[in-house]
Parts: sequence; C-alpha cells; structure tokens
Amino acid sequence: GENVEQHPSTLSVQEGDSAVIKCTYSDSASNYFPWYKQELGKGPQLIIDIRSNVGEKKDQRIAVTLNKTAKHFSLHITETQPEDSAVYFCAAAQIYNQGGKLIFGQGTELSVKP
Amino acid sequence: EAQVTQNPRYLITVTGKKLTVTCSQNMNHEYMSWYRQDPGLGLRQIYYSMNVEVTDKGDVPEGYKVSRKEKRNFPLILESPSPNQTSLYFCASSLRTSGHNEQFFGPGTRLTVL
Repeated sequence: GENVEQHPSTLSVQEGDSAVIKCTYSDSASNYFPWYKQELGKGPQLIIDIRSNVGEKKDQRIAVTLNKTAKHFSLHITETQPEDSAVYFCAAAQIYNQGGKLIFGQGTELSVKP
Repeated sequence: EAQVTQNPRYLITVTGKKLTVTCSQNMNHEYMSWYRQDPGLGLRQIYYSMNVEVTDKGDVPEGYKVSRKEKRNFPLILESPSPNQTSLYFCASSLRTSGHNEQFFGPGTRLTVL
C-alpha cells in the first residue's frame, strides 16, 4: 500500500523567511496530493492541493510542487508570519479509487518566530 | 454553519469500560471517516463509510467499531478500551466518495485510557 514520508518533523524560521516541507510517496498510482494545516486544539484544514497532471500550484504565499518521476512533492511558504505556526500534514490519495482514501505523512511542526 | 462536530472533546476512562464518541456533520456528505493521531505517526484511518449502512476498515481498525445508520452520524465505539487506544481522534467527512473532495475535520476528541 501507499506510504508517505514527511520531513522535517520540526521547522523553525524567522518571520519573513521561507519554509519548505517535503514529502515522498511510494505508490505511483497516487494522483492527488493535499496539504492540511492543523492549528493548536483544532482539526486539520485543507490549505492547498495538487493533482498529478500539474507540476506546480500557487495560492498567495503558499505553493506546492510535484515531481511525479521522483515521487515527491513539497509545500513552500514564503514571507512567513507568526500565524503560519502550526502542524502541517501532507497526504496522498487515488482520486477515483479506494474512496479517495488519504494516506498522511507524519506531520511537520512549523514555528515562526517574530 | 457547515461543520463536523464531535463529542466529547475530552475523555478519561478506564480499561474495559465501553465508550462511544459521536460524530455528526450537517453538510449532507456521503463519505465519513475516523482517524487517530499519534506523535510521529501522523493521522491513520480507523474506519470509513461511503454511505448509509456502508462501512469498511481503514488501516488500524482493531479494537474499534462504527455504524452509519443515518447519513449525518458516524459514531466510533470502543467496546473494551485499552491503554494503547489513548490518542487524539478525528472524525472527517467529504461530499462524495470519489473525485477531488476536500475532507472536513472535526475538532478532535482526546481520549485517555487508564
């Protein structure tokens, strides 16, 4: 089955710097890659996603890149702000199989220092 | 307000005492799922349901039961809880069972089994 590895487990940056979180997946059949943000005491919330027919997607300060050949994808946050501090999870899924089941990475705790 | 609700939010219990964690969504979603979140392991799927009366095992189903008698409700049942079920539990729902569907998560239930 699918396995998703996420790195780093913790990341500390200064406000205004960029942050990059990387994930690798094992199943080449996976074709949907969402990123979730989990703030303290809350459930995860989708922030951006990408399908396998796209190499990059951007939404204001966040972007996701996908390398299907290498089976890895990354989350990029530019101009980080203290409110970006949270735990971030990547996930992989097959959109039209397995009920869209998400396989999550281990999570990255991002800390943005003012 | 569109949301997924869980109750209770916090629960401390003892080994062997049956408990139920309720989950309800008001978005008329077909797909519902339970996850557990443990440090360093990310979110792992326990059970999922693709519609009323249709449930299936996820990756870590041992020790858990679910039911889906109504579309909006998806309770998680621990018949005989054990300390290794101490965890943070999330219920999630999405509109359909396939295709590009955002999963909406509840606020979480922190369970401690003594």
